[in-house]
Amino acid sequence: AQSVTQPDIHITVSEGASLELRCNYSYGATPYLFWYVQSPGQGLQLLLKYFSGDTLVQGIKGFEAEFKRSQSSFNLRKPSVHWSDAAEYFCAVGRNDYKLSFGAGTTVTVRA
Amino acid sequence: DTAVSQTPKYLVTQMGNDKSIKCEQNLGHDTMYWYKQDSKKFLKIMFSYNNKELIINETVPNRFSPKSPDKAHLNLHINSLELGDSAVYFCASSQEALNTGELFFGEGSRLTVL
Repeated sequence: AQSVTQPDIHITVSEGASLELRCNYSYGATPYLFWYVQSPGQGLQLLLKYFSGDTLVQGIKGFEAEFKRSQSSFNLRKPSVHWSDAAEYFCAVGRNDYKLSFGAGTTVTVRA
Repeated sequence: DTAVSQTPKYLVTQMGNDKSIKCEQNLGHDTMYWYKQDSKKFLKIMFSYNNKELIINETVPNRFSPKSPDKAHLNLHINSLELGDSAVYFCASSQEALNTGELFFGEGSRLTVL
């Protein structure tokens, strides 16, 4: 069975502070991994993706994610958060049956 | 110049009515999708079309019928609307396969059934 878990429903972070969003997956093979961001009232936008190779992936808007096979994790990080980073963040896993499973999302609030 | 556009953005209607949501993409992608996002923001795929052919049809009531007149358009028609159909419906497109490619999403159509 395929599942994607985002343990944190809501995270509040101060502007300028670092941010880490957790994502765990359960899958029998090496998955394709994605992080998407959804700003209020908008559709989702791809931040970054991992298929193979270097386990540290750089994305847009200053985000990066690290794939750790031993922990079945693909956590998203940003060293210094801006107010515009307030949004909903979704981790997703691509499966070999050509489908994509999304996690439940993490809401990020940025305080001044 | 919007890549994936959906209309209408908001739709409020009564139970039992029939409604349609339209989607168009100008990215030249071969594959289009409909996703449903519920009140808890959970995203679930409903349908996918590749070059006008249905390739993914998840467990969705047959009151929902997608139609793809050409590969740039994927419309969603819903018959006999129910309260539980209230959600945000997202259209998306991709050039590569769903599990490996980047999805480009529209801004969503918020459906409220009263």
